[in-house]
Amino acid sequence: GAGVSQTPSNKVTEKGKYVELRCDPISGHTALYWYRQSLGQGPEFLIYFQGTGAADDSGLPNDRFFAVRPEGSVSTLKIQRTERGDSAVYLCASSLMQGSYNEQFFGPGTRLTVL
Amino acid sequence: KNEVEQSPQNLTAQEGEFITINCSYSVGISALHWLQQHPGGGIVSLFMLSSGKKKHGRLIATINIQEKHSSLHITASHPRDSAVYICALAAGNKLTFGGGTRVLVKP
Repeated sequence: GAGVSQTPSNKVTEKGKYVELRCDPISGHTALYWYRQSLGQGPEFLIYFQGTGAADDSGLPNDRFFAVRPEGSVSTLKIQRTERGDSAVYLCASSLMQGSYNEQFFGPGTRLTVL
Repeated sequence: KNEVEQSPQNLTAQEGEFITINCSYSVGISALHWLQQHPGGGIVSLFMLSSGKKKHGRLIATINIQEKHSSLHITASHPRDSAVYICALAAGNKLTFGGGTRVLVKP
């Protein structure tokens, strides 16, 4: 595809439910990042993958959040027992390689609303 | 104190005016990114800087590593420049984002 895609674009769920958010990175990009952006704020880092492995998950807020990238391409962010405070836009980005000097390409985001 | 601070938080300009957005940070970095986010839209990378100055069209970005400060300038601003501009620090493999500057350019 031409860019990073994320599905769904919007997700409304009830408190306590489980949700999965999907990210399709640019083909050939080995690094994949998840960020969370609350209203009126800049994005916050959640987790970063290099290939299939989570190289840095220090931004995940608690153990209700988990992400996988089993084949080194598509990634899924999973949130268990959702809470109202999880409502935010979840952004995915990919880059050709890891490292500070590689441009990250962002997807359009998934807007999650927990009622 | 946040690692990265942007100012101003909001900026309104008339079409044609010169706009400056500032980004100050307090940690060591490898590079600094300037990003643009349109309402309801995704984030687009504008610049990546590790030193000096870069120019692309009407946009100019500068960085002073010693002073831990970067600026984004928009010359001859246009209503289509209305967006949120975000600076992000690159250290290692992740980005730390500022809170963004919301820019509105009126015709």
